[in-house]
Amino acid sequence: AQRVTQPEKLLSVFKGAPVELKCNYSYSGSPELFWYVQYSRQRLQLLLRHISRESIKGFTADLNKGETSFHLKKPFAQEEDSAMYYCALSGGRDDKIIFGKGTRLHILP
Amino acid sequence: SAVISQKPSRDICQRGTSLTIQCQVDSQVTMMFWYRQQPGQSLTLIATANQGSEATYESGFVIDKFPISRPNLTFSTLTVSNMSPEDSSIYLCSVGHSTGELFFGEGSRLTVL
Repeated sequence: AQRVTQPEKLLSVFKGAPVELKCNYSYSGSPELFWYVQYSRQRLQLLLRHISRESIKGFTADLNKGETSFHLKKPFAQEEDSAMYYCALSGGRDDKIIFGKGTRLHILP
Repeated sequence: SAVISQKPSRDICQRGTSLTIQCQVDSQVTMMFWYRQQPGQSLTLIATANQGSEATYESGFVIDKFPISRPNLTFSTLTVSNMSPEDSSIYLCSVGHSTGELFFGEGSRLTVL
């Protein structure tokens, strides 16, 4: 069965410290993995996807098929990174997207 | 990208009534998705709505409770029928892009008394 697990509901990190939001998945084939973000009073939006292998707002995420993980990382947290982060999985184009429960990232001054 | 408008943005309803949420997209899209986001919880997919066919519902969701219409490639509705307080939630319309990305509406916050 498809499943996305984000073990942390809340993560508090000091400004300037490194950030790692954990995501593990369960999928029988080759999934597409995403990170979506929801800033306060804004709609949910895509942050990055594994196939693009790019860094967005300083965030990166590497797909580790052996560990079935797709952790989101940033070397130096900024206050504007405070938001709700959702890891998501899809079986491919035109397939539905399943979301994890989300992690609220709180950047402390 | 796609611009998605949802109506109503919020509503307060009485138990036992029904509410229809509208979703309008500024471009033609094949697949539209309806999600529910209950307080403090993640997004749960209710159903996938393709134009010209019956919606496909996820486990735990049925057409009698959440009837969906998809009359054309830019519009869809979700009805929450015979509401109870447990249906209080944010309902989100989303559309898929050819890249696999989802675009979301701002959501419809429903409170059932």
